[in-house]
Amino acid sequence: AQSVTQPDIHITVSEGASLELRCNYSYGATPYLFWYVQSPGQGLQLLLKYFSGDTLVQGIKGFEAEFKRSQSSFNLRKPSVHWSDAAEYFCAVALNAGNMLTFGGGTRLMVKP
Amino acid sequence: GAGVSQSPSNKVTEKGKDVELRCDPISGHTALYWYRQSLGQGLEFLIYFQGNSAPDKSGLPSDRFSAERTGGSVSTLTIQRTQQEDSAVYLCASSSQTGGNQPQHFGDGTRLSIL
Repeated sequence: AQSVTQPDIHITVSEGASLELRCNYSYGATPYLFWYVQSPGQGLQLLLKYFSGDTLVQGIKGFEAEFKRSQSSFNLRKPSVHWSDAAEYFCAVALNAGNMLTFGGGTRLMVKP
Repeated sequence: GAGVSQSPSNKVTEKGKDVELRCDPISGHTALYWYRQSLGQGLEFLIYFQGNSAPDKSGLPSDRFSAERTGGSVSTLTIQRTQQEDSAVYLCASSSQTGGNQPQHFGDGTRLSIL
């Protein structure tokens, strides 16, 4: 069965510092890959997605992610974190774009002033 | 509407009661999903509707859970004889299948608390 691992439960970074959130997946083929962000009391907002092609994908709010097939990873990055980025981040995979998502456990990001 | 709408936003009920949660997907979206988010289990898939096809119920945790989608639009998730372990945030998502490669868009969820 496919699975998604986000090794870091909590991460704290200073405002203006760079950020990398890790995501590893286990699946026989290359799945569709997603990053979502969830602010308290709200639903999930799509940051970016990877279906095929260029392995570096750009998303909203200045985020990007790189798909590395050899490492089964899809890490999320941002060059300079803003206080408003504090939230919980979820990596997810699907067999295809229309199928149900399997989520990682999430990483809670805190931003120090 | 502009996004996926869920109601109620919060629901508190006594153990043993039945509850109904509503999801209004984005207009024109043919696929609709229910997920559950709880402290112990994280985000879990429950059920998936696609057009007029039979729903994929493989994620429903017990036969106390059921869902329907009327007219290919609004969906209702029903939990019968609620238990305390049903306390969670129930999230609905929809996507358009017409163009391919369409991701899921989520509502803000219903926070269900079982006393």
